[in-house]
Amino acid sequence: SYVLTQPPSVSVAPGKTARITCERNNIGSKSVHWYQKKPGQAPVLVIYYDSDRPSGIPERFSGSNSGNTATLTISRVEAGDEADYYCQVWDGGNGLYVFGTGTKVTVL
Amino acid sequence: EVQLVQSGAEVKKPGESLKISCQTSGYSFTSYWLAWVRQMPGKGLEWMGIIYPGDSDTTYSPSFQGHVTISADKSISTAYLQWSSLKASDTATYYCALRIGYDSSGYYHHWGQGTLVTVSS
Repeated sequence: SYVLTQPPSVSVAPGKTARITCERNNIGSKSVHWYQKKPGQAPVLVIYYDSDRPSGIPERFSGSNSGNTATLTISRVEAGDEADYYCQVWDGGNGLYVFGTGTKVTVL
Repeated sequence: EVQLVQSGAEVKKPGESLKISCQTSGYSFTSYWLAWVRQMPGKGLEWMGIIYPGDSDTTYSPSFQGHVTISADKSISTAYLQWSSLKASDTATYYCALRIGYDSSGYYHHWGQGTLVTVSS
């Protein structure tokens, strides 16, 4: 099966930078999208097509994708960024969509 | 404005059937793929399947194939997720999500608010 591996948790102090990775062999050849998920709320798209940011998402959120790792970077982290984050790709070989294992971001 | 409004929370017994809905507005219902995503309590997001309401073309994740049915009613711009025989393990929040993008590698920009399904004897 197609697995996207993310670290279970990332802890970061306010004002610092959080980096969340999403790993899969040759993921750099895929388009990666990122979602923020808070308890009791629907997921919110924060990055699409590796590095594009939807309107309304702060510039503090950025993305990159190369080789075997895609990365979501949150700069100048705020308390409100505390959430679970998921990467997502389309597995063209099977025509299926896959979410990463998820990363819980804790703001210290 | 694109809106996806899901039906309300459900409490069911094992073995019962259920159909939950995702009513859409603000875009051409028949022109975009719409997916269902599960989140079990304390767990991550799981992609279940996707439907193209224009011709009802549907793809399921192997993990859900045969256990759920995804359908759509073009006349009322509504998609459905249904079970014929629920299990306790179906207890989860289910989200519908609209796929946007220029090809199949597109992303889910609009989401329903979620429907909590509780299956318990």
